[in-house]
Amino acid sequence: EDQVTQSPEALRLQEGESSSLNCSYTVSGLRGLFWYRQDPGKGPEFLFTLYSAGEEKEKERLKATLTKKESFLHITAPKPEDSATYLCAVRKGDKIIFGKGTRLHILP
Amino acid sequence: GAGVSQSPSNKVTEKGKDVELRCDPISGHTALYWYRQSLGQGLEFLIYFQGNSAPDKSGLPSDRFSAERTGGSVSTLTIQRTQQEDSAVYLCASSGSNTGELFFGEGSRLTVL
Repeated sequence: EDQVTQSPEALRLQEGESSSLNCSYTVSGLRGLFWYRQDPGKGPEFLFTLYSAGEEKEKERLKATLTKKESFLHITAPKPEDSATYLCAVRKGDKIIFGKGTRLHILP
Repeated sequence: GAGVSQSPSNKVTEKGKDVELRCDPISGHTALYWYRQSLGQGLEFLIYFQGNSAPDKSGLPSDRFSAERTGGSVSTLTIQRTQQEDSAVYLCASSGSNTGELFFGEGSRLTVL
């Protein structure tokens, strides 16, 4: 069965404390892995697409990496405004399957 | 419009009533997705449209759920004989490229009493 599993479910960090979020997947015929950010009461907002193992993408304090079985979202020196739920998704055919997300809270 | 528009933003209904949720995608986007998000859960895939066709309806939870898209634009998700377990936020997204990057609306929050 195709699955996307994210860990941890929730993470509290002090401002400036770097960490990583994990997304592991069991999908055959992967056609892309995506990271989204979701703020409370809003729809998810696209961050990155990764296609092949070894690929990396960066945006401000975020960097996404991909291996054959998992992806990491590294957050460096986070700020309170980085607090949100981060969702990982994979594309199989035309279906895009989401994980349950990691709720990230950055304390000032 | 500039983004994906969904209506209503909030809907409270009684068990057994029918509801219609509307999605107006970004102009020119050919792909349209519906997802359901329950409290504390991830996004559950419901249905995908390419143009007016729905090649993948595998996510619809039961035959009470149906969706259509007309003119390659607006889509309507209909839930008949609503049940309390249908309470959730229903999210619509559109995509104009083959990359899989989705642009989401803000969702329609459905509460079934």
